[in-house]
Amino acid sequence: AQSVAQPEDQVNVAEGNPLTVKCTYSVSGNPYLFWYVQYPNRGLQFLLKYITGDNLVKGSYGFEAEFNKSQTSFHLKKPSALVSDSALYFCAVRDNNAGNMLTFGGGTRLMVKP
Amino acid sequence: DAGVIQSPRHEVTEMGQEVTLRCKPISGHDYLFWYRQTMMRGLELLIYFNNNVPIDDSGMPEDRFSAKMPNASFSTLKIQPSEPRDSAVYFCASRTGTGLNTEAFFGQGTRLTVV
Repeated sequence: AQSVAQPEDQVNVAEGNPLTVKCTYSVSGNPYLFWYVQYPNRGLQFLLKYITGDNLVKGSYGFEAEFNKSQTSFHLKKPSALVSDSALYFCAVRDNNAGNMLTFGGGTRLMVKP
Repeated sequence: DAGVIQSPRHEVTEMGQEVTLRCKPISGHDYLFWYRQTMMRGLELLIYFNNNVPIDDSGMPEDRFSAKMPNASFSTLKIQPSEPRDSAVYFCASRTGTGLNTEAFFGQGTRLTVV
């Protein structure tokens, strides 16, 4: 079975500082990994994905994520946080042996303070 | 494309009533997913369709829940009878079937409150 863990319910960071939102996963095959962001009263918006190739993936709004196979992690990062980045972030994994099931982590609330 | 469209955005109903949530996927997408989001359980996949056919409904919590996709541009999620514990935000998502590496696009959700 595939699973995703986001160990932090909330991450607080000051505007202008770098941010990291953590994600670890478990799959039996090769993982396809995704990050989504959810703003209040909105649906999930796709940020970026890792399929294969370079371990560092760049996505929307200046976000990037680093795939680390040995640590089974896919942490979301941004060099300089903005107040407008404050939202709920979800990591998700799809096991290429598990068909179309996309499993989401529990979400991490990012709070960026001025 | 306007994206995945869900209706209504908000639904308040009394316990025991039938509730129908609607979804229009992005044109050309042949996978459609229904998710439920609650504070306690996070995002749960309820059911998904491929080419209008239900593939996996193992996430549907009870027989009170049913979903249909009569054509490629429309799906419904029905709860009958509804209960207060069904209160949640229900999301519909769609994606293309070209490989497993395509991302899903989500609608804005329907916030259901059962009183």
